[in-house]
Amino acid sequence: ETGVTQTPRHLVMGMTNKKSLKCEQHLGHNAMYWYKQSAKKPLELMFVYNFKEQTENNSVPSRFSPECPNSSHLFLHLHTLQPEDSALYLCASSQDRGGSDTQYFGPGTRLTVL
Amino acid sequence: GQNIDQPTEMTATEGAIVQINCTYQTSGFNGLFWYQQHAGEAPTFLSYNVLDGLEEKGRFSSFLSRSKGYSYLLLKELQMKDSASYLCAVRDSNYQLIWGAGTKLIIKP
Repeated sequence: ETGVTQTPRHLVMGMTNKKSLKCEQHLGHNAMYWYKQSAKKPLELMFVYNFKEQTENNSVPSRFSPECPNSSHLFLHLHTLQPEDSALYLCASSQDRGGSDTQYFGPGTRLTVL
Repeated sequence: GQNIDQPTEMTATEGAIVQINCTYQTSGFNGLFWYQQHAGEAPTFLSYNVLDGLEEKGRFSSFLSRSKGYSYLLLKELQMKDSASYLCAVRDSNYQLIWGAGTKLIIKP
């Protein structure tokens, strides 16, 4: 138990569906992250929020839309996804953005796009 | 470009010692992390190195040589529960984490 929770743990959706992934951290951290993890590939950073403000968007397609209503919650809204978007989506948090701050990860949402 | 290299898969025997290497080429360096990830679970933090040398934590140790762009994770007295993927990540000059693809470690009885 890392103090970061994600729901749902598994999600199957069609290409025309709209769904949302939720992340919540109970660590009092100020920075939150979305990562995509595909088999045998490095973690891909998607979005970074620091004090609720988006600080990075690593050229992520607009069919992925993040939302950070407060420092404890992070959402990833999904719309018109493609089969190649099937992956494990990991949320992480850290005290701040930088230095030796360790990132703590949630268990991930396994997404399958049909 | 930025690059982290680590072996794709390694096999070791229960009770033995294994060393997982990581080499990196990044824009600047602000620390190196090792994470453990069991199948279907979250990556969990193992160690952080920012200065050259060896950091020891129980059965796990991590070494860093900044001049060589090289680190290793040493696991002693291997247990079956150590079967997992081990991820190396480097924080670059922009404080962004650059990740390796991970090393899948298989422990055999």
